[in-house]
Amino acid sequence: GAVVSQHPSWVICKSGTSVKIECRSLDFQATTMFWYRQFPKQSLMLMATSNEGSKATYEQGVEKDKFLINHASLTLSTLTVTSAHPEDSSFYICSARVRKETQYFGPGTRLLVL
Amino acid sequence: DAKTTQPTSMDCAEGRAANLPCNHSTISGNEYVYWYRQIHSQGPQYIIHGLKNNETNEMASLIITEDRKSSTLILPHATLRDTAVYYCILTGTASKLTFGTGTRLQVTL
Repeated sequence: GAVVSQHPSWVICKSGTSVKIECRSLDFQATTMFWYRQFPKQSLMLMATSNEGSKATYEQGVEKDKFLINHASLTLSTLTVTSAHPEDSSFYICSARVRKETQYFGPGTRLLVL
Repeated sequence: DAKTTQPTSMDCAEGRAANLPCNHSTISGNEYVYWYRQIHSQGPQYIIHGLKNNETNEMASLIITEDRKSSTLILPHATLRDTAVYYCILTGTASKLTFGTGTRLQVTL
């Protein structure tokens, strides 16, 4: 149980285009989902927290207009990187949680912006 | 969330127990100790968590000192597939997780 999936697992895009990443909780309903970013040889950094049906809460320094988060259902959250640039190339990881319980992580999406 | 201190790296021979320490001297009364690990190029994997009692599951054991200022994650019989970065994280109920730099465990033959 407690499986979280992400799609796609990797994506290459041109600078200036937008990329959407999906995060799904496969066997549970997630009241809260989180989006993290990890640069090479660094730890995970939380970008934002989203509750189903509510606007996401972004961490300091994360541009909400650039990283659009939609949590439309209890099993799906999406992260859209708008007008992507090479510096947005990173490993994006989502996690999901039921109420106050343990967070479970997806396998990650590797984004390369050319 | 309070901070944790972990060794940067550790080695362990395959088949032996891996004991990963974590110091959290400023832990609050309502904060849990969570352990996750991240194998290269994958998302973090939940291992175990506890509040004050020792915990054991199919993956590992968690030993928390009586004063709760430190804990140890024990992998009883390490295998090569246990090579990963291990994160010790303190978090209150329904709080977010803050990842530090963790301990890089290298399991060798």
